[in-house]
Amino acid sequence: EVQLVESGGGLVQPGGSLRLSCAASGFTFSTYWMSWVRQAPGKGLEWVANMKEDGSLKYYVDSVKGRFTISRDNAKNSLYLEMNSLRAEDTAVYYCAKYSGSYGIESWGQGTLVTVSS
Amino acid sequence: DIQMTQSPSTLSASVGDRVTITCRASQSISFWLVWYQQKPGKAPNLLIYKASSLESGVPSRFSGSGSGTEFTLTINSLQPDDFATYYCQQYNSYPLTFGGGTKVEIK
Repeated sequence: EVQLVESGGGLVQPGGSLRLSCAASGFTFSTYWMSWVRQAPGKGLEWVANMKEDGSLKYYVDSVKGRFTISRDNAKNSLYLEMNSLRAEDTAVYYCAKYSGSYGIESWGQGTLVTVSS
Repeated sequence: DIQMTQSPSTLSASVGDRVTITCRASQSISFWLVWYQQKPGKAPNLLIYKASSLESGVPSRFSGSGSGTEFTLTINSLQPDDFATYYCQQYNSYPLTFGGGTKVEIK
């Protein structure tokens, strides 16, 4: 069974930084693209970033380019999202997800809440 | 960027009804479209991929159709467990984009 467990969310001041982690199990992590998707309170879903199996390709939504960095450690079956220069509009539940070219976003974690506020 | 427009944004229906949700893409995405169901406080759940393929374990009352720019999700004989918010998403090109969601409420 696929399991994706996010951690690292919390309250951070505007301009601050946070690092989210996602522990993956139940599938061969090193053979899948991975995604981060977020959802602001009471709002819809927004894709944030994708990363190829070997880390050679990364894609970001324009609103986080230059501020967020997706990375992974295949030896630890872990995905990360480094978030810098955080803004109030980055407040959201952040989901880690397993992605494939055939199925799109196949499986989701339970999410971790990031709140950017002074 | 490809914009995804869902309609309606809210839908009121009764148990047993047939429900149709539409998703339109601002340019052709071939069949690279998925549908998700999301319940309050939970992560989304994949229902349909490649526009019309039913994900394993998803009840057969759910079906998807369409290609190019116009797509539909149909729920035949709506069940109590189906009251939720539904999202479409294109994965034809980056950035991946979602529709705004359709909330299916009890009439």
